[in-house]
Amino acid sequence: GQNIDQPTEMTATEGAIVQINCTYQTSGFNGLFWYQQHAGEAPTFLSYNVLDGLEEKGRFSSFLSRSKGYSYLLLKELQMKDSASYLCAVRPSGAGSYQLTFGKGTKLSVIP
Amino acid sequence: DTAVSQTPKYLVTQMGNDKSIKCEQNLGHDTMYWYKQDSKKFLKIMFSYNNKELIINETVPNRFSPKSPDKAHLNLHINSLELGDSAVYFCASSPTLAGPTDTQYFGPGTRLTVL
Repeated sequence: GQNIDQPTEMTATEGAIVQINCTYQTSGFNGLFWYQQHAGEAPTFLSYNVLDGLEEKGRFSSFLSRSKGYSYLLLKELQMKDSASYLCAVRPSGAGSYQLTFGKGTKLSVIP
Repeated sequence: DTAVSQTPKYLVTQMGNDKSIKCEQNLGHDTMYWYKQDSKKFLKIMFSYNNKELIINETVPNRFSPKSPDKAHLNLHINSLELGDSAVYFCASSPTLAGPTDTQYFGPGTRLTVL
């Protein structure tokens, strides 16, 4: 089966850096995605990792360690508009490799 | 230039009724999905279709019946609605079924409330 864990909520200050962790246990691994979801809106794609290491995209970076079953999303220079839920999703390998399993999301509140 | 669209955006109905939600994507993608997001914001796959064929059917009551008339459309019909069906239903699409880097693009969601 698949199991994905993320903190439920986090709070950070505007201008700061925040790291949102995700740990997973899946039957095989074929990539990890991060999505952002603002309240009342659809999830939107942020990043994809399949190899170990850090992927950087502007203010957002995502890190993966496959041996540890661990990823994090790093948000720099936080802005108020970054207040949203951040969903970690894993694609297993083999049977079911077409399916994404989502974590329950981390609700990030950015305060002035 | 909407990529993935769903109608209606809000749906309020009585228990026992039958309702449908429609989804269309204009991205030329082969694969479409239905997800349910409950009140705790947990997003769970319900169905996946690839080129109009059902690929995934998770443990979903058979009151839920998806239909894909063509690969750009995936509709969801729900019979005998129950209180527990209240949730936000998201349609999504991806270029192919199992491309490792394929990103899923989500529609705006349909908020279903069963009274």
